[in-house]
Amino acid sequence: QSALTQPPSASGSPGQSVTISCSGTSSDVGGYNYVSWYQHHPGNAPKLMIYEVSKRPSGVPDRFSGSKSGNTASLTVSGLQAEDEADYYCSSWTPSTYVFGTGTRVTVL
Amino acid sequence: QVQLQESGPGLVKPSETLSLTCTVSEYSISSGYYWSWNRQSPGKGLEWIATINHGGSTYFNPSLKSRVTISVDTSKNQFSLRLTSVTAADTAVYYCARYLAIGFYFDFWGQGTLVTVSS
Repeated sequence: QSALTQPPSASGSPGQSVTISCSGTSSDVGGYNYVSWYQHHPGNAPKLMIYEVSKRPSGVPDRFSGSKSGNTASLTVSGLQAEDEADYYCSSWTPSTYVFGTGTRVTVL
Repeated sequence: QVQLQESGPGLVKPSETLSLTCTVSEYSISSGYYWSWNRQSPGKGLEWIATINHGGSTYFNPSLKSRVTISVDTSKNQFSLRLTSVTAADTAVYYCARYLAIGFYFDFWGQGTLVTVSS
């Protein structure tokens, strides 16, 4: 099972929106609604931002939203803030394993 | 809220066994949920290693299964990872995390511990 494909980097100015894609196959992203997204500030514990494609855990701002179309999932961060600068990883459950994305470094300009 | 803390040697020699422990606080492992180990090699993405539940049922990444043991000690509120026959490719930051088997995601993570494989 290969890692899910994400763009290495994305950026936006404060207040703008940025969307990160997560490309998989019909055996992972496209086959199940079990896509989750994690925010990681290096040196800290990763933080769950989205689960089951579009659900937000308690405490995660509604500026973060998730969606899926076919074999590609997306995370959108609206109203970018300085603290959103971090690495973001998607992930997908499959019956045989659990696979993460390659990661996207989001820079707030 | 739930807190997890990894512990173990930061340096392991090639061909030897990597052993890590995750101590869970603010939640009793015996109450339920699943518990996992993930890792991130330098400059690379995250990789799932293995998962165990409070009853001892285990699940492994097929690419690592032959070298991995995961166990739980409910009396100490800890779970552990053993990875045998390590090579430089096993150098990584190792994270423990709580895993929800309904929804299939990790809701709490430790800060991670760097393990370097080198002679």
